[in-house]
Amino acid sequence: DSGVTQTPKHLITATGQRVTLRCSPRSGDLSVYWYQQSLDQGLQFLIQYYNGEERAKGNILERFSAQQFPDLHSELNLSSLELGDSALYFCASSVASGGDYEQYFGPGTRLTVT
Amino acid sequence: AQSVTQLDSQVPVFEEAPVELRCNYSSSVSVYLFWYVQYPNQGLQLLLKYLSGSTLVKGINGFEAEFNKSQTSFHLRKPSVHISDTAEYFCAVSGNTGNQFYFGTGTSLTVIP
Repeated sequence: DSGVTQTPKHLITATGQRVTLRCSPRSGDLSVYWYQQSLDQGLQFLIQYYNGEERAKGNILERFSAQQFPDLHSELNLSSLELGDSALYFCASSVASGGDYEQYFGPGTRLTVT
Repeated sequence: AQSVTQLDSQVPVFEEAPVELRCNYSSSVSVYLFWYVQYPNQGLQLLLKYLSGSTLVKGINGFEAEFNKSQTSFHLRKPSVHISDTAEYFCAVSGNTGNQFYFGTGTSLTVIP
């Protein structure tokens, strides 16, 4: 158990809908990262927040947005969903911001868009 | 920008045999290198990391990796694998000038009894 929690575990929704994925980092970690894992694209970095502020952006679509709240939990919002958004979404946390800090991964949220 | 190439998508190996999972990276800046393991239906777990210093890095579960700057490689090795090592292995790189992590496409290791 990494100490990172993600809810829900599974999510099934229809095209065009909007969903919110939630992540609680390990106690004491200030950084939260979001990743998308799909069969054809592998593990793609989406976005990073550090202590409430956006710190780095990866291959995140404009239909997707994220935020980190004062209690440090984070939410990833996916809107106008398409079939291709079906994937496993991981959240990871680290104690600080920077490429040398280990990331601890949550168990993921499996999103299925029908 | 950085990128990672894992040269083998699938590696079958017999139990108690040695294994090497290959990883090459490209970067214009100094890098930090990581190997993560993903067991079925689980998140990723750090095996080992290279930040600086000794180029031979030892990790958990008997794995080790060697950083080779001239060949821009960070291959993962284990002298004797067990059935429980069956999993997906990811190589990742980050730079000391940014916070983005780049993962390879993964290598599926299957240990055959």
